[in-house]
Amino acid sequence: NAGVTQTPKFQVLKTGQSMTLQCAQDMNHNSMYWYRQDPGMGLRLIYYSASEGTTDKGEVPNGYNVSRLNKREFSLRLESAAPSQTSVYFCASSSGFQAQFFGPGTRLTVL
Amino acid sequence: GNSVTQMEGPVTLSEEAFLTINCTYTATGYPSLFWYVQYPGEGLQLLLKATKADDKGSNKGFEATYRKETTSFHLEKGSVQVSDSAVYFCALGVSGGGADGLTFGKGTHLIIQP
Repeated sequence: NAGVTQTPKFQVLKTGQSMTLQCAQDMNHNSMYWYRQDPGMGLRLIYYSASEGTTDKGEVPNGYNVSRLNKREFSLRLESAAPSQTSVYFCASSSGFQAQFFGPGTRLTVL
Repeated sequence: GNSVTQMEGPVTLSEEAFLTINCTYTATGYPSLFWYVQYPGEGLQLLLKATKADDKGSNKGFEATYRKETTSFHLEKGSVQVSDSAVYFCALGVSGGGADGLTFGKGTHLIIQP
């Protein structure tokens, strides 16, 4: 039982490049989330998906897009990376009104 | 809107000392409250939770009581160990289904010295 998995673990991009962060969960959870973590800022919600086929913006959605590919997978795409998107990205999942379970994170640097 | 305020630290204690990390919140509706722990280079792990007023969450020697009257959820541990060194996040979740994400505090960096 792997829980929540994320790929890649590390990534370095140049300004303007695009990439997709992958997330998968094997806990049969309906809800999935993408957060970013920056020093002194805690975690901030980028996008979430309450169920397969639905996505909604969180606190900081600008510059990102998401796809809920199926119940297991929820990807985050940066179309044109900017240095301000240098951060650690966490995916999480939950079942209804329950605690969220987090993946190990992707450390992204945009030069 | 919803918000969580916690001491940011770093908080430095000696091994076997008593720990308190304060957390207060503002929320619309009836939140559930959580403490998460993050070890260096890792993701967040759920430490404990409480879903209604006066509930006490506990795990691994840590405890926190949901105090509606003071809107607080302070984390305590009677005797800390070096292995407790980590960043601790207080968080709340509100709304039907809780599907719109958690609101986190900024995290408290705890350092335990031998």
